[in-house]
Amino acid sequence: DIQMTQSPSTLSASEGDRVTITCRASQSISRWLAWYQQKPGKAPKVLIYKASSLEGGVPSRFSGSGSGTEFTLTISSLQPDDFATYYCQQYDRYPYTFGQGTKLEIK
Amino acid sequence: QVQLVESGGGVVQPGRSLRLSCSASGFTFSSYGMHWVRQAPGKGLEWVAIISNDGSNTYSGDSVKGRFTISRDNSMNTVYLHMNSLRPEDTAVYYCAKDPTSATRDGHYLDYWGQGTLVTVSS
Repeated sequence: DIQMTQSPSTLSASEGDRVTITCRASQSISRWLAWYQQKPGKAPKVLIYKASSLEGGVPSRFSGSGSGTEFTLTISSLQPDDFATYYCQQYDRYPYTFGQGTKLEIK
Repeated sequence: QVQLVESGGGVVQPGRSLRLSCSASGFTFSSYGMHWVRQAPGKGLEWVAIISNDGSNTYSGDSVKGRFTISRDNSMNTVYLHMNSLRPEDTAVYYCAKDPTSATRDGHYLDYWGQGTLVTVSS
């Protein structure tokens, strides 16, 4: 199975900050990577697919990059609504796997 | 708008069976693959299974293979997760989610999610 490792596990930041979350795959997944945002008690919501494509309706302050084994999610200027947990997911091959999550907290 | 509503969760004893349902609306159900994903309390997301739009292709994760079966009824706009030989470690919120493609050969990401249904396996 492909292992997905996110860093950091927890990130403390302030409104207006630029933040970056990294996701590494244990083998190349080309660009078959998605990023999700999850708030407590709610279902995840897709932000980015195919490494860098922004899902419709997602604010442009979210961006994704990378290919192969290393990927990043960047939020250019944190808004209050962005404090949540973020997951990456590979869909290059079965079984699909998620990273362990990055909790973005208010500093 | 796309809506996915899961049902069928509850408390079940170890070794017993349970069937989850996910009722879909707001899109042409028979054109899209569907997934199940679970999340144990306080833990991360675990992908469980996928079924292609016509039900001809399915794939399950290692931890549930041989115990869980995904199926669908396109006439009812519903996808199911049949869970057998349940274990305490299967305790989780189970989400159904839509694939943006038919998933005939391979699935993709998950573009819409339901609100989840909680399964608790305990004696």
